[in-house]
Amino acid sequence: LAKTTQPISMDSYEGQEVNITCSHNNIATNDYITWYQQFPSQGPRFIIQGYKTKVTNEVASLFIPADRKSSTLSLPRVSLSDTAVYYCLVGVQSLTGANNLFFGTGTRLTVIP
Amino acid sequence: DGGITQSPKYLFRKEGQNVTLSCEQNLNHDAMYWYRQDPGQGLRLIYYSQIVNDFQKGDIAEGYSVSREKKESFPLTVTSAQKNPTAFYLCASSSLKMGASPLHFGNGTRLTVT
Repeated sequence: LAKTTQPISMDSYEGQEVNITCSHNNIATNDYITWYQQFPSQGPRFIIQGYKTKVTNEVASLFIPADRKSSTLSLPRVSLSDTAVYYCLVGVQSLTGANNLFFGTGTRLTVIP
Repeated sequence: DGGITQSPKYLFRKEGQNVTLSCEQNLNHDAMYWYRQDPGQGLRLIYYSQIVNDFQKGDIAEGYSVSREKKESFPLTVTSAQKNPTAFYLCASSSLKMGASPLHFGNGTRLTVT
């Protein structure tokens, strides 16, 4: 089971770039890396997913080194509305029925005016 | 507008009573999941289902039961055997394909048992 380790909390000023790193030393060959954002009293929301190298979408970038034992979520120019908990999830649904999707405790990002 | 609907948003029950939380999805997803979240904690998997009439226990299934009679619906019953039922319950769904498919979450049901 690929468990993850993230910093418990981070603070950033508005307008800055924020990088949140997740360690997953025992990631399996078939595992994908997915990041979610959660606001209080809401369900997590998908941000970005990758398998290797770099992935970019309209809200974030995901950097994955060659050994895949860690990954970094990059949020460009954060605003107050980016204050949330960010979860790194490593795993994959198996068509044979196994499920190894494991959520850690996440990183609480606070954006300061 | 596709999505996952959980109801009710808040639920209050007396200790010793069973309670059922509703989860419906119109995303045509095969897989559905129930997670529990406690204050300041991550999400823990209770049950999941990848096909109608079949489901598997997650990490903390004791004191809970589920059914999957329809593809769109995956209700969770919190039984009186669950020792600490007060929590935030999240339902999710995903498609199944080789590789990975992101989870789509509902907005949760906050259950308080007194």
